[in-house]
Parts: sequence; structure tokens; C-alpha cells
Amino acid sequence: AQSVTQPDIHITVSEGASLELRCNYSYGATPYLFWYVQSPGQGLQLLLKYFSGDTLVQGIKGFEAEFKRSQSSFNLRKPSVHWSDAAEYFCAVGGAYNNDMRFGAGTRLTVKP
Amino acid sequence: DADVTQTPRNRITKTGKRIMLECSQTKGHDRMYWYRQDPGLGLRLIYYSFDVKDINKGEISDGYSVSRQAQAKFSLSLESAIPNQTALYFCATSDTTGADEQFFGPGTRLTVL
Repeated sequence: AQSVTQPDIHITVSEGASLELRCNYSYGATPYLFWYVQSPGQGLQLLLKYFSGDTLVQGIKGFEAEFKRSQSSFNLRKPSVHWSDAAEYFCAVGGAYNNDMRFGAGTRLTVKP
Repeated sequence: DADVTQTPRNRITKTGKRIMLECSQTKGHDRMYWYRQDPGLGLRLIYYSFDVKDINKGEISDGYSVSRQAQAKFSLSLESAIPNQTALYFCATSDTTGADEQFFGPGTRLTVL
């Protein structure tokens, strides 16, 4: 069965600094990979997704992620973090015919002024 | 108006009580999901439904049941609530394939005393 590991439970960065959130997955076939963001008291919102093609994908709010098959990773990046980016971020993996999407445990991002 | 709504938003109940959480969507999607979120565990799938006649167990279905009353409505029931079912519950919908983006409701915070 597929699984997702987000090694960092909590990350703190200064506003304006760059950000990288790590995600490693396990999946037996071509994975479909997602990053979602959850703001306090809200549901999850999709940031970006990867199905195929260019391994560097762009998302909303200035985020991007890179798929590295050899490392089974799909790390999320942002060049300059804003205070409004403080939230919890979830990586998820699914498949084209598999409707059992698996989420990582999440990484909570704190942004210092 | 929100595309995916959940009622109630908050609920406190006692051990042994039956409780129903409701989800409605206006996106016209066939597929609906129920997840629970626990700190440090991310989201785990309880049940999912491909259409009104198709319901499937997810990763953690024990102690839960669901009903798909219509394309737009998907309810989650706890027949006899227990304290370890205290969690944040999310409903989500998606279009045709498992690889599609899932759209989440705002969540229901359930506390079982």
C-alpha cells in the first residue's frame, strides 16, 4: 500500500526566507502527488499536483514542487515566505485507478516576523 | 456559498451515543470521502463512495458507517461513540478519477466524553 512520510513535524522560518518542506512517498506504480495547505480552522486547499511531464510543477501562492523519482520525493518550495503562509501542509499520494489517497502526517509552518 | 458543507461544525457527545455527521456538495461530483484528522497522524480515510450505489471502506472504517442518500449527500455515523473517536472529521469530493483534486469541507470537530 502507498504511504507518505513528512519528516518535519514543525518548521519555523523568518518572513522573507526561503522554504522547503520535505515529502517522501512509497508507491508501487506511477504516483499522483499532491500538496495541500490547511489554514487554522479551515479545510484543506490544493496547492499543486503532479501527474506526469515536467517534474517541476508550479502551484498557487508562489509555491512549487519537484518530483524526483530516484529519491521518491516530492518536496515543496517557496523562495520567499510571507506571514500568511503560516499553516499546516500535507503531502498526499494516490494513483490513477486507486481512490485510496494517503496523506502524510503534516508539517506545521510557523513564520517569524 | 461553499461548495462542500458539513454539519454540525462542532459537536460534543457522550460515550455510547449515536451521532451523525452530514456532508453536502454543490460541485456535481460523483465521488465523496470521509476522513478523520488526528494530530501527528494526518488525514486517514474512513469511507469513500464512487456514486450513490457504490460505497467502500477506507483505512479505518471500524466503528463507522456511511450513507449516500443522493449524489450530493454523504453522511457518516458513529453508532456508539467512544472517546478515541474524538477528532476533526472532513468530507471531501472529487470528479472522475482517484487522481483528481479533492475538495474539502470545513470540517466537524467531534468530542466524545
